Amino acid sequence: QVQVVESGGGVVQAGGSLRLSCAASGFTFKKHNMHWVRQTPGKGLEWVAIIEDDGENKNYAKSVKGRFTISRDNSKSTLYLQMNSLRAEDAAVYYCARDGSNWAFDYWGQGALVAVSS
Amino acid sequence: QSALTQPPSASGSLGQSVAISCTGTSSDVGTYNHVSWYQQHPGKAPKLMLFEVSKRPSGVPDRYSGSKSGNTASLTVSGLQAEDEAHYYCNSYAGSNNWVFGGGTKLTVL
Repeated sequence: QVQVVESGGGVVQAGGSLRLSCAASGFTFKKHNMHWVRQTPGKGLEWVAIIEDDGENKNYAKSVKGRFTISRDNSKSTLYLQMNSLRAEDAAVYYCARDGSNWAFDYWGQGALVAVSS
Repeated sequence: QSALTQPPSASGSLGQSVAISCTGTSSDVGTYNHVSWYQQHPGKAPKLMLFEVSKRPSGVPDRYSGSKSGNTASLTVSGLQAEDEAHYYCNSYAGSNNWVFGGGTKLTVL
């Protein structure tokens, strides 16, 4: 069955860096665009970034552009999010989500918690 | 890109119907039929309930339906059941590989 599993969350100081990973299984990873979506504790969802299936095209929310980098390794069926210059407002649960090729996020991981300390 | 506007809360009695609105702009909901809805129970990951405004993924009950008019999309849950109580989020494609979520609506089943 389709699974995406995030890892790499933790506590980081403001200004620091962290890299999240998302291991995919149960589907042909290289055929799907992938996204990162985050959720601030007790708040709503915020789309963060997309990477197209071949890794060539990427885009980011304005709130993270220039600080976060999305990437993928299709040979390892793994998605990444490199987060630099972290701020307090970046503290959230980060979800990896598969683009179902229907303009929707059809499978989600369980989330990786990122906390930013001052 | 501003978040889509959803009412913070909605409620309905068991067996009744409730509709949740999602208002965007002509740059997102008004232009694209790429509106999706997600259900999220406490402590769980979001679950896709509708895509392309009104299409249901396999396994989603037909009690869930969607529509769109102008810049506003709506999710309707009919025959409310206790397990429908959750947060619901809308999402729209906004062009140029941008997506935007609504602020979420907490649905209470009375």
